[in-house]
Amino acid sequence: DIQMTQSPSSLSASVGDRVTITCRASQSISSYLNWYQQKPGKAPNLLIYAASSLQSGVPSRFSGSGSGTDFTLTISSLQPEDFATYYCQQSYSTPRTFGQGTKLEI
Amino acid sequence: QVQLQESGPGLVKPSETLSLTCTVSGASISSYYWSWIRQPPGKGLEWIGYIYFRGTTYYNPSLTSRVTVSLDTSKNQFSLKLNSVTAADTAVYYCARFAPGGGYFDYWGQGTLVTVSS
Repeated sequence: DIQMTQSPSSLSASVGDRVTITCRASQSISSYLNWYQQKPGKAPNLLIYAASSLQSGVPSRFSGSGSGTDFTLTISSLQPEDFATYYCQQSYSTPRTFGQGTKLEI
Repeated sequence: QVQLQESGPGLVKPSETLSLTCTVSGASISSYYWSWIRQPPGKGLEWIGYIYFRGTTYYNPSLTSRVTVSLDTSKNQFSLKLNSVTAADTAVYYCARFAPGGGYFDYWGQGTLVTVSS
């Protein structure tokens, strides 16, 4: 199985901050990396697919980059609704695996 | 608009079988892959498996001996059965659509909490 490791596990930030979350794969996964946002009591919501493609309807302040084993999710200017938990997921092989999550807090 | 809705018992006894159904609207189940994902309370996400409309299934090796995913095209539903459950199977269970081209889960149900307890 491909292990996905996110850092940090939690992050405190303020509205307007620029925030970066990192995801590392245990082996090269090319650009087969997706990012999700999950708010308490809700299902995850797809933000970014194929490492850097923005899902339809997702604000442009979200961006993704990386390839191989190292990936980042960046939020350019935090908004109040962005405080949530973020997960990466590899789509290179089965079993599909997720990172452990990064909780973004005020 | 694609919508998914999980249904099934919220409480299952240890050693028994967990059974959930996902009803899909706004899309034909005879397309795409359809998946189950779970999330223990306060923890991360675990992919359980998915099924393609032809009936081809792929399961997480960690669960493959206990899990079955099936389709009911007449009702536009798919189902999960997980047998011999223990407390470790307590989780919120999500159904989701899987887009194989991109390898992502683009539509999710709201999730249903299943507790394993006597």
